[in-house]
Parts: sequence; structure tokens; C-alpha cells
Amino acid sequence: DQQVKQNSPSLSVQEGRISILNCDYTNSMFDYFLWYKKYPAEGPTFLISISSIKDKNEDGRFTVFLNKSAKHLSLHIVPSQPGDSAVYFCAASFQGGSEKLVFGKGTKLTVNP
Amino acid sequence: DAGVTQSPTHLIKTRGQQVTLRCSPKSGHDTVSWYQQALGQGPQFIFQYYEEEERQRGNFPDRFSGHQFPNYSSELNVNALLLGDSALYLCASTPRRGWNTEAFFGQGTRLTVV
Repeated sequence: DQQVKQNSPSLSVQEGRISILNCDYTNSMFDYFLWYKKYPAEGPTFLISISSIKDKNEDGRFTVFLNKSAKHLSLHIVPSQPGDSAVYFCAASFQGGSEKLVFGKGTKLTVNP
Repeated sequence: DAGVTQSPTHLIKTRGQQVTLRCSPKSGHDTVSWYQQALGQGPQFIFQYYEEEERQRGNFPDRFSGHQFPNYSSELNVNALLLGDSALYLCASTPRRGWNTEAFFGQGTRLTVV
């Protein structure tokens, strides 16, 4: 039973345009959501997070939106840069992130110059 | 700050053997979690250690065991290795009393079972 789903295995966008990565979850008890970026041969790097009491969080070019009623979150990257090309993982947790992370399968983003 | 460090970075073992992977958490973090990432999948939670005890466990067999030391570093042991244990093993650390705080990951140990 996959509790966190990233239904798009890959996404390709042009440099300067917006990248939108989507994530769905099934467990309404999740209260903290995170996005990680992963390059080959490296561990995941934290990107941005959002608590379930919020519906939006911004950090520079990155914005995460949370729709609790739809159990859906999305990551917007504006403008996209070639260096953003990586695999992006959506993760969900309980107790504000102090418990285990449940990951999606990831979306490979390619930003073309 | 060295962040989360894992050793070794790569390892090749034979079926049936045993392996030990090591992790040092980020400075100021006292909780260590281990994840297994198979090819094309997201990381899967194995277990979490805090105060030298296993606090949470994912859906992994007893062949997977761990340990946490007084300095918060941790080991992951896998016995009777199977071909299917080939994966990237990731260690993550968090402060136990943190809230709305992200987990920091090491670079991982790539285990190949032949």
C-alpha cells in the first residue's frame, strides 16, 4: 500500500519556465510534508517543507502548496534552471517530522537550456 | 559541520554473508534513521534509533538489525544477504525534540550482493 504517490516518473521543461511536481497521499494523519532533491551518487538534499496547518510555503524560487481536502501537494520551481535537473522526492511524516518519512517514488526533472 | 557521514560508500558482498554499515549523525542530532532505496524506488524506512534503542521499525525482516552508540553514531547490520538486498542504504539524522524539522541524509552506501 503506497501511502505517498508521485504519478509522473519524469518531467521535462525549458529553462526559465515553471516546473510543477505533484504528489498525492492517502493517510490523513500525516502532518508534515517535505520535498527532497537527489543527484546521482548523492544522498537526498532537503529542499522545502510544509506543515499541515499551512497551505503554502515559499523559499526563493521554490513554493510548496498543500491541499489537505484533496490530499495533494505540489512543488513549483520558478524560474527553472538547468542545475535543477535531478530526481525530486515527496515525503510525508507524523509528529512534525520526528517520526519516519514515507517517500514517493520520485519524479525525474530535466530542465533544458 | 560535516553533516551526516556514512561508510563505506560502496560495498560488494556475496550471498549469505553479513554486512555492517556505519553512520555518524549531523552535529547536534541524536536520532538516526536508516532507509533502503532500491533502483527506481523511493527510500523505504528500515528503523529509527534514539537513546540507543530501536524506536520504530519498518516492514523489514529480522535479518536487518541495528545499534546506536552513546555518541549517537549508528550501525546497520544485515545477515544472510540476499540478491534483493542490493540497494543504496541511506542514513538520516534529526534532533529528537525537533518539530517541523527536516531530516539530513548522508551520501549513502551502495551495497551490491552477488
